[in-house]
Amino acid sequence: ELKVEQNPLFLSMQEGKNYTIYCNYSTTSDRLYWYRQDPGKSLESLFVLLSNGAVKQEGRLMASLDTKARLSTLHITAAVHDLSATYFCAVDTTGGGADGLTFGKGTHLIIQP
Amino acid sequence: DSGVTQTPKHLITATGQRVTLRCSPRSGDLSVYWYQQSLDQGLQFLIQYYNGEERAKGNILERFSAQQFPDLHSELNLSSLELGDSALYFCASSVWGGAQPQHFGDGTRLSIL
Repeated sequence: ELKVEQNPLFLSMQEGKNYTIYCNYSTTSDRLYWYRQDPGKSLESLFVLLSNGAVKQEGRLMASLDTKARLSTLHITAAVHDLSATYFCAVDTTGGGADGLTFGKGTHLIIQP
Repeated sequence: DSGVTQTPKHLITATGQRVTLRCSPRSGDLSVYWYQQSLDQGLQFLIQYYNGEERAKGNILERFSAQQFPDLHSELNLSSLELGDSALYFCASSVWGGAQPQHFGDGTRLSIL
């Protein structure tokens, strides 16, 4: 059974600081997804990482994938309050084009002024 | 706006009842996925349809069923409802193949009294 573990599950940080969220998964997968969810809202796609060594950046967020270590990271640079949200990583469950996702528990991020 | 439409937004019903949740995917997306989000279970993949055919099953209870119609909209049927079925149910859609993210609707919040 595929397991996806995120840490930390809760993070409170100050504006302007840097931090990294970690996502470990238990079986081989070449596709790793990061989503953002605001309270009571839907999930917004942030990044799709498709191969070992993939790195993607959007604004203050950068995601990377190490398929050998089965590890993805989401790095936040110079955090701002608007980035406060819950961040989920997810891995393709079934492969072969049938793409049910297994999600981590999410990292609840609070950025304080 | 993800382009995925879910109705209704909220549903309140009683134990033992049956409800139907509806989803219209983004234009051009042939794959539809259903997920359940609850505080204790997190985000769980339930089932996937592609162009009218069931493609993958996740942690879907036998009391739950789904289908995708020729116009590609999908319905999730939940029967013999229990208190533990109270959750946020998301529909997502994507282009076939998994290299693209799944786009999530706003969800249906189901409350069982």
